[in-house]
Amino acid sequence: DTGVSQDPRHKITKRGQNVTFRCDPISEHNRLYWYRQTLGQGPEFLTYFQNEAQLEKSRLLSDRFSAERPKGSFSTLEIQRTEQGDSAMYLCASSKLGTGDDEQYFGPGTRLTVT
Amino acid sequence: GDSVTQMEGPVTLSEEAFLTINCTYTATGYPSLFWYVQYPGEGLQLLLKATKADDKGSNKGFEATYRKETTSFHLEKGSVQVSDSAVYFCALRTSGAGSYQLTFGKGTKLSVIP
Repeated sequence: DTGVSQDPRHKITKRGQNVTFRCDPISEHNRLYWYRQTLGQGPEFLTYFQNEAQLEKSRLLSDRFSAERPKGSFSTLEIQRTEQGDSAMYLCASSKLGTGDDEQYFGPGTRLTVT
Repeated sequence: GDSVTQMEGPVTLSEEAFLTINCTYTATGYPSLFWYVQYPGEGLQLLLKATKADDKGSNKGFEATYRKETTSFHLEKGSVQVSDSAVYFCALRTSGAGSYQLTFGKGTKLSVIP
């Protein structure tokens, strides 16, 4: 396994712009999760997919946020009309249903800075 | 709602010192408990876990015991090394259908000096 990968690793954008992040999970992992981590805090859950179905969304996921996993493989997280409060590290994790373990493997994250 | 409270850092120890990082939780049901570690410039990695009361998770010399009566999952290591310098996160995952999200504490930064 090559691990969970995320792209880009860093993104600087101006307030009001839209941004999109990509996550490629470990192959054959059917669950995919998005978390957000701000400075000095632990990661906070945003949403998760099982295959292509988005099964759970946090209240943190405002209407400006949308996530997709169209073919049950990679996922994208889009933030529309970015605000300075969106500045954070966005983490993706994946796991495999049915192993009895369901350990979540994390990617390196995308650091978003909104100026 | 579910929550995790862990001791504030940063923690600075000399090499070979004993480490304890306290973690307590509030959760409905019977959660699984985890310690994750984040080394500088790297992603979160699972360090150890315990899925039921009195279970002890262990890995790389680190240990933590699931204490239901005190709702705690303290991380310990008998002799830390410089390479253990990292941020440590305590986390829980509640049981129940459809509940797979992890709830994390704020993290404790450990620095080990030679």
